[in-house]
Amino acid sequence: DSGVTQTPKHLITATGQRVTLRCSPRSGDLSVYWYQQSLDQGLQFLIQYYNGEERAKGNILERFSAQQFPDLHSELNLSSLELGDSALYFCASSVDGTSGGPDSYEQYFGPGTRLTVT
Amino acid sequence: AQTVTQSQPEMSVQEAETVTLSCTYDTSESDYYLFWYKQPPSRQMILVIRQEAYKQQNATENRFSVNFQKAAKSFSLKISDSQLGDAAMYFCAYGSNYQLIWGAGTKLIIKP
Repeated sequence: DSGVTQTPKHLITATGQRVTLRCSPRSGDLSVYWYQQSLDQGLQFLIQYYNGEERAKGNILERFSAQQFPDLHSELNLSSLELGDSALYFCASSVDGTSGGPDSYEQYFGPGTRLTVT
Repeated sequence: AQTVTQSQPEMSVQEAETVTLSCTYDTSESDYYLFWYKQPPSRQMILVIRQEAYKQQNATENRFSVNFQKAAKSFSLKISDSQLGDAAMYFCAYGSNYQLIWGAGTKLIIKP
């Protein structure tokens, strides 16, 4: 158990809908990362938050948005869902994201949310 | 831009044997971090091992060890005494600009 929690575990929804995925980082971790993994594919980095502020953006669609709250949990919002958005969405956390030391890079992953768009 | 290449899409090994997974990366930086992550069929991403570029000594974690060749920009993972539970996708990652850059993964099959 990495200490990172994600809810829900599974989500089935229809095209055009909007969903929210939730992540709680490990205790003490300030950085949260969101990744998308389609079937049999590698990890696509979406976005990173550090202590409530957006730190870096990857290949995140405009239909997707995220935020990190004062208690450090994070939510990923996916709207106008398409069939191609079906994937496993991971949240990861690290101690920090700014020091440049190993704690900035060593990421611990949650179990993922499996999103199915029908 | 930094890139990470895992040239072996799939590898197989006999149980109890040793297997080496390859990873190369491209960078102009001198100080960085490298990681191997494992993703078993459960799809959970698990950190296997970390290597700091400034350390000459290769990292080891029980049956897992790395062969870090900084000049060659190579970071291979050796798994000794392979076990059925080692069957998984293995991803190599390079730490840069506070992000991890990921390889495409190598699927490891363990033959009983």
